[in-house]
Amino acid sequence: AQKVTQAQTEISVVEKEDVTLDCVYETRDTTYYLFWYKQPPSGELVFLIRRNSFDEQNEISGRYSWNFQKSTSSFNFTITASQVVDSAVYFCALSDSGNTPLVFGKGTRLSVIA
Amino acid sequence: ETGVTQTPRHLVMGMTNKKSLKCEQHLGHNAMYWYKQSAKKPLELMFVYSLEERVENNSVPSRFSPECPNSSHLFLHLHTLQPEDSALYLCASSQARLASDTQYFGPGTRLTVL
Repeated sequence: AQKVTQAQTEISVVEKEDVTLDCVYETRDTTYYLFWYKQPPSGELVFLIRRNSFDEQNEISGRYSWNFQKSTSSFNFTITASQVVDSAVYFCALSDSGNTPLVFGKGTRLSVIA
Repeated sequence: ETGVTQTPRHLVMGMTNKKSLKCEQHLGHNAMYWYKQSAKKPLELMFVYSLEERVENNSVPSRFSPECPNSSHLFLHLHTLQPEDSALYLCASSQARLASDTQYFGPGTRLTVL
């Protein structure tokens, strides 16, 4: 069965600090897809990244970077030089082969304090 | 309009009322979803439509009735709701119903049942 665990319920950092949000997943499939979404206070889930199981290259987009490690079944998300606008709930999600639904973690609430 | 839109953004209703939530996607997608997000629960998938056909119903009570008249529009009809149905209802769409397809979300309707 699929499962996504985000062990950090809430994180609070001071602006300009780096912060890493952890995501650990479980699946029996060899083909699967991992996602990160951001949910600001307005409520909308904003898509950040999709990664497939065959591409273990780390990705960087501006201040955001993602570290995918199949050996530890983790797909961690790092924000460099955090800003107040990064304050949100961040969700990691997994879908595996076939038509199985997207499985979400419980989310990590990040608060960036000025 | 771009992306996925939802109306209304906020709704307060009594337990005997009938109301409808509307979702519209402007992305040319063929799959649409309803999710429920309660205060202390992870995101719950309620319904999935693919090419206007309901393909998944996750044991949702019959007081929630979805309707998908075409691939761009999705409704959630509500009647005789309970206070525990108060939540953020999110609509999403994806190109198809494949594991590799990214789901794009609307801003949600925050529902309060009195």
